[in-house]
Amino acid sequence: DTAVSQTPKYLVTQMGNDKSIKCEQNLGHDTMYWYKQDSKKFLKIMFSYNNKELIINETVPNRFSPKSPDKAHLNLHINSLELGDSAVYFCASSQEYSNYGYTFGSGTRLTVV
Amino acid sequence: QKEVEQNSGPLSVPEGAIASLNCTYSDRVSQSFFWYRQYSGKSPELIMSIYSNGDKEDGRFTAQLNKASQYVSLLIRDSQPSDSATYLCAGGQGGADGLTFGKGTHLIIQP
Repeated sequence: DTAVSQTPKYLVTQMGNDKSIKCEQNLGHDTMYWYKQDSKKFLKIMFSYNNKELIINETVPNRFSPKSPDKAHLNLHINSLELGDSAVYFCASSQEYSNYGYTFGSGTRLTVV
Repeated sequence: QKEVEQNSGPLSVPEGAIASLNCTYSDRVSQSFFWYRQYSGKSPELIMSIYSNGDKEDGRFTAQLNKASQYVSLLIRDSQPSDSATYLCAGGQGGADGLTFGKGTHLIIQP
């Protein structure tokens, strides 16, 4: 059983398209995150949700819109994709205040051509 | 803005030796610190967490935290070729505020 699962694993799309990435966790965690890892391997937080409530919304273009239908799911929708959006997007989950760190999903490698 | 600094490497260590990875952080608010290992093409995997000053040991891994110096380190004893990976240092306050990651140190264990 995969603890944090993301789909799709790979996504190749043209500039200007709209795409979504889905994430589900079965760990019973109450907090979920989206991180972006660029070509230099730098992991940067984009969003965090706690019990379906948006907590962190870093300086991310408003073309990126997260949605959490329940605390086990966090999806990321990206409008009007640009070349610079190419990266690996990781979903992660944790239990708030647990200090046990995150469990990451396997990542979605997005390539915009 | 919080920052976590790591030497990007590569850090090359002979098999069986001790690998020493270092990390500094810019803020005095962060309370929890983590070391993640990331193999190429894979997701980060948590290997150590530390919250109090001093050392914490788990198998071949020892994490060290010095809050006064804002310094975190990871020692890997008896290094194995399978330890070759990028090691990411991260710090945070806990809660849903998220972790701030360093850019990672690329470790190479030479057989």
